[in-house]
Amino acid sequence: SQQGEEDPQALSIQEGENATMNCSYKTSINNLQWYRQNSGRGLVHLILIRSNEREKHSGRLRVTLDTSKKSSSLLITASRAADTASYFCALQDNLFFGTGTRLTVIP
Amino acid sequence: KAGVTQTPRYLIKTRGQQVTLSCSPISGHRSVSWYQQTPGQGLQFLFEYFSETQRNKGNFPGRFSGRQFSNSRSEMNVSTLELGDSALYLCASSLADRAYEQYFGPGTRLTVT
Repeated sequence: SQQGEEDPQALSIQEGENATMNCSYKTSINNLQWYRQNSGRGLVHLILIRSNEREKHSGRLRVTLDTSKKSSSLLITASRAADTASYFCALQDNLFFGTGTRLTVIP
Repeated sequence: KAGVTQTPRYLIKTRGQQVTLSCSPISGHRSVSWYQQTPGQGLQFLFEYFSETQRNKGNFPGRFSGRQFSNSRSEMNVSTLELGDSALYLCASSLADRAYEQYFGPGTRLTVT
């Protein structure tokens, strides 16, 4: 399958803690993107990381990419209740989305 | 700038019927992609249109079709509906290419009974 697989499937943390979720894949990629989906704002693009990049930051988000291990991680620092959502990685130019990590941030 | 809009937001249809969903991309965006989201299969790519031409197609039966108009608005059609077509259908637009940042609409929730 060319889908990414997120891990863990679900994650529950306290507000202020950091949250880390991972995406593993099987084929070579040009880029990998992360999206967030919640009931209020739908599916929103978070960050794009290219295959020749190892790390990118955007606000409280930090994404890493290890092409040798075929994996990426998304770190959300100082989490807030508003970060409660499902997070997806997308591969192959948004053709394949992962199964998602359901993050719950408890106030 | 207005976001991606999809109509209708909710739809209930009966098996065997057909349905047409509409998507208006962000002004200036020329690429429109459609996705099906279900609890079991997750987000699956249906097709992408660019300048009125289908550029890519996912692994869906021919009952799923789409088109794009000269103003970049897009429609997708599902004929002979099956129960398994019940899903959230998401439309996404991007400036020039599906490969880059996509902006998603709120989706159309289709229920087939």
